Amino acid sequence: DAKTTQPPSMDCAEGRAANLPCNHSTISGNEYVYWYRQIHSQGPQYIIHGLKNNETNEMASLIITEDRKSSTLILPHATLRDTAVYYCIVRVASIGTGTASKLTFGTGTRLQVTL
Amino acid sequence: DARVTQTPRHKVTEMGQEVTMRCQPILGHNTVFWYRQTMMQGLELLAYFRNRAPLDDSGMPKDRFSAEMPDATLATLKIQPSEPRDSAVYFCASGLVLDGRHNTEAFFGQGTRLTVV
Repeated sequence: DAKTTQPPSMDCAEGRAANLPCNHSTISGNEYVYWYRQIHSQGPQYIIHGLKNNETNEMASLIITEDRKSSTLILPHATLRDTAVYYCIVRVASIGTGTASKLTFGTGTRLQVTL
Repeated sequence: DARVTQTPRHKVTEMGQEVTMRCQPILGHNTVFWYRQTMMQGLELLAYFRNRAPLDDSGMPKDRFSAEMPDATLATLKIQPSEPRDSAVYFCASGLVLDGRHNTEAFFGQGTRLTVV
């Protein structure tokens, strides 16, 4: 799986948009971009994923550049409960029963949402 | 409310003792992962199973760790003998993978916090 690079930490004021960047310059054509987050003392939680088109769900939006070498996770109105470590992961979609489905976590971005 | 259930949530044990951690994956999921999280190493994949068969356990120390799925509703991770360096939070996750289709996301349990003294 391709390696990702994220800033170690970011701050965001409550109610503002949090934009978390991720670089994945070695991403392959069959690799998806996944975002997970881990709130303190909990297990990681899936947020969103995408291949090349921008995606939006009830939690966040994912913007992937046209060359797919970087992406941005957007939390449109950050709250204190969004304080967590955010992981950007690139991962091959399932192909048969190979190792495609495993997640490899990096160090992530620690997002601190403040009043 | 479907969720991955891990027991125990906390475990303190003495060095040399056997430790067994249990995981109940979400009903219907066919893939189970075991991860370990420490401050120094972050989240590391230890092993994962598909349809109860081990697919990859290369991240697991073979001499003392073992992972099994006695049935589709139970996954176990055992450490024997335990050592202080095994102190960590162990997470189980489950997901559904269909051949030739996209993966579902992985759903994680709350983890077992293991302390070996």
